[in-house]
Amino acid sequence: KQEVTQIPAALSVPEGENLVLNCSFTDSAIYNLQWFRQDPGKGLTSLLLIQSSQREQTSGRLNASLDKSSGRSTLYIAASQPGDSATYLCAVNPPGGAGNNRKLIWGLGTSLAVNP
Amino acid sequence: EPEVTQTPSHQVTQMGQEVILRCVPISNHLYFYWYRQILGQKVEFLVSFYNNEISEKSEIFDDQFSVERPDGSNFTLKIRSTKLEDSAMYFCASKRGNEQFFGPGTRLTVL
Repeated sequence: KQEVTQIPAALSVPEGENLVLNCSFTDSAIYNLQWFRQDPGKGLTSLLLIQSSQREQTSGRLNASLDKSSGRSTLYIAASQPGDSATYLCAVNPPGGAGNNRKLIWGLGTSLAVNP
Repeated sequence: EPEVTQTPSHQVTQMGQEVILRCVPISNHLYFYWYRQILGQKVEFLVSFYNNEISEKSEIFDDQFSVERPDGSNFTLKIRSTKLEDSAMYFCASKRGNEQFFGPGTRLTVL
């Protein structure tokens, strides 16, 4: 059964720092992996999607990497800002499922606070 | 930019009552999902829907739950007789290619 773990559970950094959030998954046979942002009491905003055949994806100050064989992904945030404060969730598409209709399996998230 | 919408944003109900949570997926998407997130816990998959039928459902999605796409635009989740443990944030998502797009969620509070 696929399990997704995110470390650390919480992180507090000063503004301007570069930081790395970690995600690990137990079954390396994934279809893709998505990183999301969740603000308190709010919805889920997709940040980056990495297909299983890709090694990394970049969007602005965000860079996500994927090492499928070791069951790991990292989200790198450059030059962090107070507006980056949120919970960051990692979710994988496990193998199986009907055709292209794949569900997401989620980590618990990393709660990030960027202090001015 | 097209987005998934959900109504209501917050629903308060008494235990045993029926609730219907509504979602309008992105218009050209083909796959639809409901997830839920109990406070402090992981987001959990409930059900996926494609071609007007359920593709997959989790153990959580028992006989008290049902989904419908009544008119080609709305996608609803019905809970027939709510329990205290159904209190959670419910998220709708839709997909056409590989990426799932989520609505803002409905916070359900069962008293």
